[in-house]
Amino acid sequence: DSGVTQTPKHLITATGQRVTLRCSPRSGDLSVYWYQQSLDQGLQFLIQYYNGEERAKGNILERFSAQQFPDLHSELNLSSLELGDSALYFCASSVVGGPKNIQYFGAGTRLSVL
Amino acid sequence: GDSVTQMEGPVTLSEEAFLTINCTYTATGYPSLFWYVQYPGEGLQLLLKATKADDKGSNKGFEATYRKETTSFHLEKGSVQVSDSAVYFCALSAIDGGATNKLIFGTGTLLAVQP
Repeated sequence: DSGVTQTPKHLITATGQRVTLRCSPRSGDLSVYWYQQSLDQGLQFLIQYYNGEERAKGNILERFSAQQFPDLHSELNLSSLELGDSALYFCASSVVGGPKNIQYFGAGTRLSVL
Repeated sequence: GDSVTQMEGPVTLSEEAFLTINCTYTATGYPSLFWYVQYPGEGLQLLLKATKADDKGSNKGFEATYRKETTSFHLEKGSVQVSDSAVYFCALSAIDGGATNKLIFGTGTLLAVQP
């Protein structure tokens, strides 16, 4: 158990809908990352938050947004969903944001857009 | 930009065989390097890491050495077990001005170990 909790484990929804994925980082970790794992794109970094503030952006679509709350949990919001958004979404956390810090991953949320 | 290239799978081995999964990287500066493992239906687990040139990361019989001269971080294990069957990801921690350590992953290599 990594200590990173993601809910829900599975989401099935329809095109055009909006969903929210939730992540609780390990106790004491200030930095949260979101990644998308899909068959065609592999594992891609989406966005990072550090202590409530956005720190870095990767290949995140404009239809997607995220935030980190004062209690350090994070939410990833996906809107106007398309079939191609079906993927496994991982959250990871680390103590701080430096390059030597280990990221611990949650078990992921599997999103299926029908 | 920064990138990671790892060997295509699947890699199929018999139990107790020697394992090598090749990984090379392209990066500016001096990234940290990682191997993560994903067992079926689970999330990513850190297997080992190395943060500077010539560092050797090791865990559970797996080893990898950070080779700056060849920009490589190959994963090895002397004797694999059926329980090692999983997808293995090589990754680097991008420096990006020091503000972030987003991970850049290779495509993953599926390892199947047969009894």
